[in-house]
Amino acid sequence: QITLKESGPTLVKPTQTLTLTCTFSGFSLSTSGVGVGWIRQPPGKALEWLALIYWDDDKRYSPSLKSRLTITKDTSKNQVVLTMTNMDPVDTATYYCAHLYYYDSSGYQETWFDPWGQGTLVTVSS
Amino acid sequence: SYELTQPPSVSVSPGQTARITCSGDALPKKYAYWYQQKSGQAPVLVIYEDSKRPSGIPERFSGSSSGTMATLTISGAQVEDEADYYCYSTDSSGNHPVFGTGTKVTVL
Repeated sequence: QITLKESGPTLVKPTQTLTLTCTFSGFSLSTSGVGVGWIRQPPGKALEWLALIYWDDDKRYSPSLKSRLTITKDTSKNQVVLTMTNMDPVDTATYYCAHLYYYDSSGYQETWFDPWGQGTLVTVSS
Repeated sequence: SYELTQPPSVSVSPGQTARITCSGDALPKKYAYWYQQKSGQAPVLVIYEDSKRPSGIPERFSGSSSGTMATLTISGAQVEDEADYYCYSTDSSGNHPVFGTGTKVTVL
């Protein structure tokens, strides 16, 4: 059974850097075709993909937030860490991590998230 | 940037059929996925690769895709199906995941 859980601060001040940790079980990030992604959801709004990291340490970032995001993994600890710099009140959201499936068939790639962690609400306020 | 467009809301009476559409230019080349999000909960995958149902998802949930539009159908909607539904796919390069704008389904 795959489970994931997000942890980190619930309140950050504007301009600070947010560091979130995703701790997971039931899979290994050293297994081919596996990854972890981060998605956020402002209160009452839609889901927004932020970043993902694959088993081979390849990384992808949302083009609109790329300059502010860094994603890393610690395979031995079963953890993935997301950092977001220069936090602003508009970054107030529930942040989710999720297990990622990936396959590449003759150059045709598919990526999707399942399951998700419970999410953690981060509020940005002075 | 790539976008997936959904209607903001769909209403259906219990036992009737609800259809939620998702429009995106890359859908002819990429699969669509559907997530159900009940109030205060994390999203749950209900359809993957256009039309496949994960284990544990009721048969009343089905998916299809044609051209630039994917559709999630709830046949015989139940009160417990009331939730927000998001389509998901990637851009044509496969490098950037995208979520749809979301559809609130009301069953009453």
